[in-house]
Amino acid sequence: EAGVTQSPTHLIKTRGQQATLRCSPISGHTSVYWYQQALGLGLQFLLWYDEGEERNRGNFPPRFSGRQFPNYSSELNVNALELEDSALYLCASSLEGGMSYEQYFGPGTRLTVT
Amino acid sequence: QKEVEQDPGPLSVPEGAIVSLNCTYSNSAFQYFMWYRQYSRKGPELLMYTYSSGNKEDGRFTAQVDKSSKYISLFIRDSQPSDSATYLCAMSNRDDKIIFGKGTRLHILP
Repeated sequence: EAGVTQSPTHLIKTRGQQATLRCSPISGHTSVYWYQQALGLGLQFLLWYDEGEERNRGNFPPRFSGRQFPNYSSELNVNALELEDSALYLCASSLEGGMSYEQYFGPGTRLTVT
Repeated sequence: QKEVEQDPGPLSVPEGAIVSLNCTYSNSAFQYFMWYRQYSRKGPELLMYTYSSGNKEDGRFTAQVDKSSKYISLFIRDSQPSDSATYLCAMSNRDDKIIFGKGTRLHILP
């Protein structure tokens, strides 16, 4: 069974640009979660999508947004990039509805903002 | 006070030793307690989860939750070099987001 996949692996952008990160969940999983893992800050919850709807978001500004497609894959968009947005962005998926404690993570997209 | 506190390490122990990893937390509403392992350049993988208080064992791994002290532990017996990774504790109250500790870097010395 294929795990959670993310693309691209690495992304380099300049300040002020927009970044788009993609995630494909495990087959059969309907919930997708996005996290930011910045150096020294640990894993921070960004967004949760389930059945195409945004269910919850963390303490991030509105320039962090995303969506979930009918096939349950998801996209994270970060507008007006700032230097401090440089981090590993992790996507996770789960089988259950509700904020599941049993999440399966992808390998991440390393975003570097210069 | 941070919701979840975890010593970042690094923690270095010889192969075969028992490893003890710990987290403290402040939110008494947490009901689910998880441990994730993250290898370098990989995403975290769920090792174990525990609901409410008590112990749970899975092979060489034992998770303990003491809700009265707001303290959780992960023990690794007969540690192996392949156990070298960052260990993240995490907790939630089911209907809200998962809160992660910052992770403890563990090195098992051959």
